Amino acid sequence: QKEVEQDPGPLSVPEGAIVSLNCTYSNSAFQYFMWYRQYSRKGPELLMYTYSSGNKEDGRFTAQVDKSSKYISLFIRDSQPSDSATYLCAFTTGGGNKLTFGTGTQLKVEL
Amino acid sequence: GAVVSQHPSRVICKSGTSVKIECRSLDFQATTMFWYRQFPKQSLMLMATSNEGSKATYEQGVEKDKFLINHASLTLSTLTVTSAHPEDSSFYICSASRDLGTEAFFGQGTRLTVV
Repeated sequence: QKEVEQDPGPLSVPEGAIVSLNCTYSNSAFQYFMWYRQYSRKGPELLMYTYSSGNKEDGRFTAQVDKSSKYISLFIRDSQPSDSATYLCAFTTGGGNKLTFGTGTQLKVEL
Repeated sequence: GAVVSQHPSRVICKSGTSVKIECRSLDFQATTMFWYRQFPKQSLMLMATSNEGSKATYEQGVEKDKFLINHASLTLSTLTVTSAHPEDSSFYICSASRDLGTEAFFGQGTRLTVV
């Protein structure tokens, strides 16, 4: 079983749609959860960072963590063409420790 | 903010030569930096963990003599690809965290092409 599972997509949605991106993980030691956005040929950009179960909202983005189910989600409201990118979930066990990434989901928001 | 700068963004080199990539944390000190490699349409693969003032820790399967890492200060880590070959062509990305923080910030990446 892979440590992190993420659907690679591609996922294509119309502008204005609500997007749901998900990852499951198997390592119970993961305590910190992140979502990164990566545009083509660029480094990943940190979007959301959480460390507890529940929801965290930042503008159009909501990160959801369910530690009991080992499942995290990223919701994007009112999606825009500029949201077209690859979204990577990432996990770590603690400060200074390496990140474990999902494979990334490619999202395309169409006009 | 937390800015990580990586240089160069793109480099083309001849087979057999060496290439150095720099990773700098511009507005914070980073005890630990990480180096990743990414192939097209694939996720990031961790190559090594760079620790200031000590030897890097390499992931299994990564040749330490080929990918030399030096973390000379709390704001600078370098990756040198020695005796580069076409199969080393890839996108290399570094990341850094504040002190022992859990949020990792990434550089812009370096696209290496070996011809």
